[in-house]
Amino acid sequence: EVQLLESGGGLVQPGGSLRLSCAASGFTFSSYAMSWVRQAPGKGLEWVSSISGNGGDIYYADSVKGRSTISRDNSKKTLYLQLNSLRAEDTAVYYCAKVVYIRNDLVDYWGQGTLVTVSS
Amino acid sequence: IQMTQSPSSLSASVGDRVTISCRASQSIDRSLNWYQQKPGKAPNLLIHGASTLQTGVPSRFSGSGSGTDFTLTISSLQPEDFANYYCHQTYSTWWSFGQGTKVEIK
Repeated sequence: EVQLLESGGGLVQPGGSLRLSCAASGFTFSSYAMSWVRQAPGKGLEWVSSISGNGGDIYYADSVKGRSTISRDNSKKTLYLQLNSLRAEDTAVYYCAKVVYIRNDLVDYWGQGTLVTVSS
Repeated sequence: IQMTQSPSSLSASVGDRVTISCRASQSIDRSLNWYQQKPGKAPNLLIHGASTLQTGVPSRFSGSGSGTDFTLTISSLQPEDFANYYCHQTYSTWWSFGQGTKVEIK
C-alpha cells in the first residue's frame, strides 16, 4: 500500500524558514517523480515544485522560485521542501504527491498534507 | 498555462447530469487530469489523459476534450459526489490547476 506521510509544518514568523518532509512507502521511491502542491485556506490547489526520480530535474512555480528548495533522499525514501523567506501568502496545507506518467503526468497518490501558517 | 474552470460553483440534485468545463490558455493536447476533493481531505484522481477513467472510479464520471477545451461529466449525481472538482494540466512541466468547481446540493 502506497503511503505518503508529510511532517514539518507549523507556525512560523514572516521571514522565517521551515523544512517539510514526506516519508514514502509501498512503492519504489527512486523510480518516480514527486511533487509538492499547496492549498491556502478556502482556496484551490497550487503546484509548488517537482523533482525527477533521480533528482536531476527540478522545477519551481514562480511564486516560490528563489525561496524554496526541493530535494529527495532515495536511500531514506523521503522528499523534502525547504521554504525560506516565508510570507503570509505561503500559509497553506502542503501536500506531497507521487507522480506517474501514463501518456501524461498525473498524481496517483497524495499525502494527507501538513499545515504551514506564516504569522507574527 | 492558465486553466479556467466554469462554473465556479453549481447547485444540483441527486440524479442530475452535471457538466464542468475547463479551458486552457493554449493547446495542451490531452494532458489534462480531473480530481475530486472533499473538505479536509486530499484530492482524488478521477480522470487522466482527458478521458481515461482512473481504476476504481465509478463509470458515471467521464471526461472529454482535447487542445484547449475539456469537460468533466457526472451522468447521474450521487450524494457522495458533492465536492470540489479541479482540472490539472501537465502538458507543461510547470503544472497548473483550474480554480475549482464546487458542486453543492440543491
